[in-house]
Amino acid sequence: DAKTTQPPSMDCAEGRAANLPCNHSTISGNEYVYWYRQIHSQGPQYIIHGLKNNETNEMASLIITEDRKSSTLILPHATLRDTAVYYCIVRVANNAGNMLTFGGGTRLMVKP
Amino acid sequence: GAVVSQHPSWVICKSGTSVKIECRSLDFQATTMFWYRQFPKQSLMLMATSNEGSKATYEQGVEKDKFLINHASLTLSTLTVTSAHPEDSSFYICSARDGGANQQFFGPGTRLTVL
Repeated sequence: DAKTTQPPSMDCAEGRAANLPCNHSTISGNEYVYWYRQIHSQGPQYIIHGLKNNETNEMASLIITEDRKSSTLILPHATLRDTAVYYCIVRVANNAGNMLTFGGGTRLMVKP
Repeated sequence: GAVVSQHPSWVICKSGTSVKIECRSLDFQATTMFWYRQFPKQSLMLMATSNEGSKATYEQGVEKDKFLINHASLTLSTLTVTSAHPEDSSFYICSARDGGANQQFFGPGTRLTVL
């Protein structure tokens, strides 16, 4: 699985959009970008994933650059409950039988 | 999404005792389950992969005789920390693969404290 690079921490004001970047310059053509988050003392929670098109669901939007070497997770209206560590993971989708490899993630602090 | 439970959510034990942690997939069958360990302010580290009905595959550096994994059914995997020591204190998290949805779902974690 391709390696990802994320900033270690970010702050965001409550109610504003949180934009979390991820670099994955060695991504392969059949690898998807997955985002999970982990709120303190809880298990990771799936957010969204995509291949090359931008994706949106009830939690967030995922913007993937045309060359697929980077992506941005967008929380459109961050709340205090969005404070968590956000992990960007690149993996072949049909390898769900294989483990997820977690990097350091980005610790997002949403402030009032 | 699918639900994965863990029991207990936290446990405190004396050094030298054994502790069993259960991981259950509540609304789907999981042919593969994963066990992770997370130390404070660190990321999740995979310990082992278990497939129903077969022996678990352990990551390098994880002692299979110390961390016993049993995946006897499609909805239950157990991790037993044998002869626990204070350095085994950690947050243990399982995840289960829902083959039908091609997704992995995580349990809420178990915090183990060894005195």
